[in-house]
Amino acid sequence: DAKTTQPPSMDCAEGRAANLPCNHSTISGNEYVYWYRQIHSQGPQYIIHGLKNNETNEMASLIITEDRKSSTLILPHATLRDTAVYYCIVVPMEYGNKLVFGAGTILRVKS
Amino acid sequence: NAGVMQNPRHLVRRRGQEARLRCSPMKGHSHVYWYRQLPEEGLKFMVYLQKENIIDESGMPKERFSAEFPKEGPSILRIQQVVRGDSAAYFCASSPRTGREQYFGPGTRLTVT
Repeated sequence: DAKTTQPPSMDCAEGRAANLPCNHSTISGNEYVYWYRQIHSQGPQYIIHGLKNNETNEMASLIITEDRKSSTLILPHATLRDTAVYYCIVVPMEYGNKLVFGAGTILRVKS
Repeated sequence: NAGVMQNPRHLVRRRGQEARLRCSPMKGHSHVYWYRQLPEEGLKFMVYLQKENIIDESGMPKERFSAEFPKEGPSILRIQQVVRGDSAAYFCASSPRTGREQYFGPGTRLTVT
């Protein structure tokens, strides 16, 4: 079972920042927060991950609260091509990191 | 560096036939994962393999399904005696080692008629 809670859908205006929240209140100290997305019916795409510090890469930023019970994925300038289902997944560090996908958040970027 | 490759991209089988799905991981990646996405449903983990070893097959149906990742060549997901309920998109992912991000292929869409 997924250990995260995400809103089912969100809308965002093109060019604006998209902020996607995720609750993971039962996360343990040895678990990472990973974000993936699936555009239409393509294969999922890795976006970013973090443990307790905020992270940024060329695609997005990840903000993790100090208590690690929630996080926010930020797409700084959303485009129409960012319309996708976004998955927040908690992954243990130890051996065997299968991904448990929940329902995710459908992000619709509108012009 | 080429991404994860899967073939065929589309596969049509009649009930009772066998389906073989192939996955070539990214160069340098020795960990392979298979996931299935049934129509209008979420992605479900099936199996995790390293070269010549099955590490976790907790998501594999007990019958008709098998997977391998030989020392040489691609990983194979084999479905024997397919039924209509096997119609789905099958995605393969690879990673350089455990505990790292996974990179997915484009998937194989299996249709059982």
